[in-house]
Amino acid sequence: GENVEQHPSTLSVQEGDSAVIKCTYSDSASNYFPWYKQELGKRPQLIIDIRSNVGEKKDQRIAVTLNKTAKHFSLHITETQPEDSAVYFCAASKGTNAGKSTFGDGTTLTVKP
Amino acid sequence: NAGVTQTPKFQVLKTGQSMTLQCAQDMNHEYMSWYRQDPGMGLRLIHYSVGAGITDQGEVPNGYNVSRSTTEDFPLRLLSAAPSQTSVYFCASSYSGGTTDTQYFGPGTRLTVL
Repeated sequence: GENVEQHPSTLSVQEGDSAVIKCTYSDSASNYFPWYKQELGKRPQLIIDIRSNVGEKKDQRIAVTLNKTAKHFSLHITETQPEDSAVYFCAASKGTNAGKSTFGDGTTLTVKP
Repeated sequence: NAGVTQTPKFQVLKTGQSMTLQCAQDMNHEYMSWYRQDPGMGLRLIHYSVGAGITDQGEVPNGYNVSRSTTEDFPLRLLSAAPSQTSVYFCASSYSGGTTDTQYFGPGTRLTVL
């Protein structure tokens, strides 16, 4: 089955700096790659996603890049703010069934004011 | 729309007891899934359903049963609770079609098995 590895497990940055979180996947048939943000005690919420026919997608301060050949994708957060502090998860799935996603183990991002 | 709802929010069980975690969605989504989240780990798929009457196993199905008699509801049954099932359980739903596969998660059920 699919295996998703996420790095780093923890990341601490100063407010205003950029943060990058990387994920690799094993199944070349995976073609949908969402990123979720989970605040303490809350549910995961989608912040951005990308499909395998696109190399990069951006939404304000958040961007995701995908390298299909290397089977890795990354989350980029620019101009970080304290409210960006949370756990971030990447995931991968095949076809159009996001309901059968494989998740990474998460990255705890701390943004210091 | 209420989105995805889960009950109960918290539950404490004794080893060997059984219970059902409830999940409902009002978005007419075809796909529904159950995940468990253990401390310091990502979400692991327990069971999922692609429509009423159709279910399949995920990564960690042992000790759990599901059924999907309606589009809206997808209950998860713990047959004989074990301490290893102490976790936070999230239900999710998604509509697969068009250009989006966004999964919407419920608020979670925190389960402790003593």
